[in-house]
Amino acid sequence: KQEVTQIPAALSVPEGENLVLNCSFTDSAIYNLQWFRQDPGKGLTSLLLIQSSQREQTSGRLNASLDKSSGRSTLYIAASQPGDSATYLCAVYTQGGSEKLVFGKGTKLTVNP
Amino acid sequence: DVKVTQSSRYLVKRTGEKVFLECVQDMDHENMFWYRQDPGLGLRLIYFSYDVKMKEKGDIPEGYSVSREKKERFSLILESASTNQTSMYLCASSGLGGQHWTGELFFGEGSRLTVL
Repeated sequence: KQEVTQIPAALSVPEGENLVLNCSFTDSAIYNLQWFRQDPGKGLTSLLLIQSSQREQTSGRLNASLDKSSGRSTLYIAASQPGDSATYLCAVYTQGGSEKLVFGKGTKLTVNP
Repeated sequence: DVKVTQSSRYLVKRTGEKVFLECVQDMDHENMFWYRQDPGLGLRLIYFSYDVKMKEKGDIPEGYSVSREKKERFSLILESASTNQTSMYLCASSGLGGQHWTGELFFGEGSRLTVL
């Protein structure tokens, strides 16, 4: 059974810092991995989708990498801003009978001015 | 841009009431999902549908049912609401259709349900 872990659960950094959020998964047989952002009381906003054949994806100040063999993905945020404060979740779409997305519980990021 | 719209952002219901949560997507996506999100438990899949009139149970279907009469609309029904169904409910959709969903997942804004 696929398990997705995000450590740390919470992270606080000063504005301007570059930071890395981590996502690990136990079953490397995945179709893709997706990173989301969630603001308090809101739905999830898709940030980046990495297919299993890809190593990384970039969007603006965000860069996501995928290492399937080690079961890890990282989300790199450059030059962090207070507006980046949110909870970041990763989800993997696993091959096999269950065929569904498995979510991590997220990392709550606070960027202090 | 893909838009997934949940009709009610906040609802307050009483125990035993029948509750309907509506979700509409405008991108002709085949696949639609209902999740609930609770502190410490993360997102849990209730039901999903990969075609009109088709539905599949997720991890926690007990106490819920769904309806997909039209491709763009997926409804979650609580037949008799209970206090342990107080939660944030999230609807999502994805394309690249059929039974094997490989596409990006898009979420609505969520519906916060309180059952008294």
